[in-house]
Amino acid sequence: AQTVTQSQPEMSVQEAETVTLSCTYDTSESDYYLFWYKQPPSRQMILVIRQEAYKQQNATENRFSVNFQKAAKSFSLKISDSQLGDAAMYFCPFNTGNQFYFGTGTSLTVIP
Amino acid sequence: EAQVTQNPRYLITVTGKKLTVTCSQNMNHEYMSWYRQDPGLGLRQIYYSMNVEVTDKGDVPEGYKVSRKEKRNFPLILESPSPNQTSLYFCASTMWAGLNEQFFGPGTRLTVL
Repeated sequence: AQTVTQSQPEMSVQEAETVTLSCTYDTSESDYYLFWYKQPPSRQMILVIRQEAYKQQNATENRFSVNFQKAAKSFSLKISDSQLGDAAMYFCPFNTGNQFYFGTGTSLTVIP
Repeated sequence: EAQVTQNPRYLITVTGKKLTVTCSQNMNHEYMSWYRQDPGLGLRQIYYSMNVEVTDKGDVPEGYKVSRKEKRNFPLILESPSPNQTSLYFCASTMWAGLNEQFFGPGTRLTVL
């Protein structure tokens, strides 16, 4: 079975500080793609960052970076210099075999 | 403007009354998908379509039907809705599954009484 586990239902961070959201997944496939999406209160899903499983180099997008540990099946998201606009629900789906698998999400609060 | 549209945005209905939620994209995407979002369960894929006339079950297809007669449209049909189908539904599209970004619609809040 393909599963995603986000073990932190809620996290908080001070504005301008750094926070890491954890994500682990389980799949027997060797070819898959990993993502982080954010869902602000508007409910709109927004892509944050993505990574191909066969690439060892960790993806980076401005203040967002991932720590991809393939052997451990871990794909954590680091947000640097947190901003109020980062407050949202964060999901870390992966895609394999044309299906997408999402976790339960982590709700991030940014404290001014 | 590139977008995925869903209608209706909000719907309250009664058990057993057939309904259809429409989804349309204007980006010429091959892949379209339906998800439901429930508190504590995250998003779960209901059905997906890799191309016109090609549809496949996701993780939670029971009680739902879909069709893909045109590339741009991917309606979700609930033939006999039940209260456990009360949920927030998202349609999404992307060029192909893989590393491509999925574009999500604004969501449809469905309540089945």
